[in-house]
Amino acid sequence: EVQLVESGGGFVQPGGSLRLSCAASGFTFSSYSMNWVRQAPGKGLEWVSYISTSGSTVYYADSVKGRFTISRDNAKNSLYLQMNSLRAEDTAVYYCARVRRAVNYYMDVWGKGTTVTVSS
Amino acid sequence: QSVLTQPPSVSGAPGQRVTISCTGSSSNIGAGYDVHWYQQLPGTAPKLLIYDNSNRPSGVPDRFSGSKSGTSASLAITGLQAEDEADYYCQSYDSSLSGSVFGGGTKLTVL
Repeated sequence: EVQLVESGGGFVQPGGSLRLSCAASGFTFSSYSMNWVRQAPGKGLEWVSYISTSGSTVYYADSVKGRFTISRDNAKNSLYLQMNSLRAEDTAVYYCARVRRAVNYYMDVWGKGTTVTVSS
Repeated sequence: QSVLTQPPSVSGAPGQRVTISCTGSSSNIGAGYDVHWYQQLPGTAPKLLIYDNSNRPSGVPDRFSGSKSGTSASLAITGLQAEDEADYYCQSYDSSLSGSVFGGGTKLTVL
């Protein structure tokens, strides 16, 4: 079964850091680009970051650029999101999603999400 | 303010047909980028519903269909069922932002 499982969410104070993980199974992880997408409470979906199959190409939404770092370990079938200088507005459920196609991609497999709460 | 504009809500009775619009601009849908649709049932993760404007992944009923024209796209749901009650999101690529963009989402209520 194709599956993505996020972990690492939690409660953190403003200015703090968290590292999210996404474990992939049931498919050849190294063959797919990956995304992080978040959803603030009661709000819509927001694309956060993209990483190519090898990790050589990464993109970030302006809202997280310079604070978040996406990475992957293909040997461990894992995707990561290092989040630094966290703000209250980063509070959200964070989903990892498998990307299909390099340009104008879509996301065909999603994890169940992990919740990040930034509050003092 | 989302880059892609969707109506906040739509509703319909069981068996009826509803449509959800997604309006973009010349840097995304109007530039020729494909539109994809996701369904998010209450309390669950999004699920791919339509890709490349009008294609359905395996397992998605043919009651769901998509189309695109100019700077807009639409999702149509026919034979509305109670289990269709969910939030629906469109997604595309924006060249000026160099990234993926979503619509604000539309809540479908089955009356």
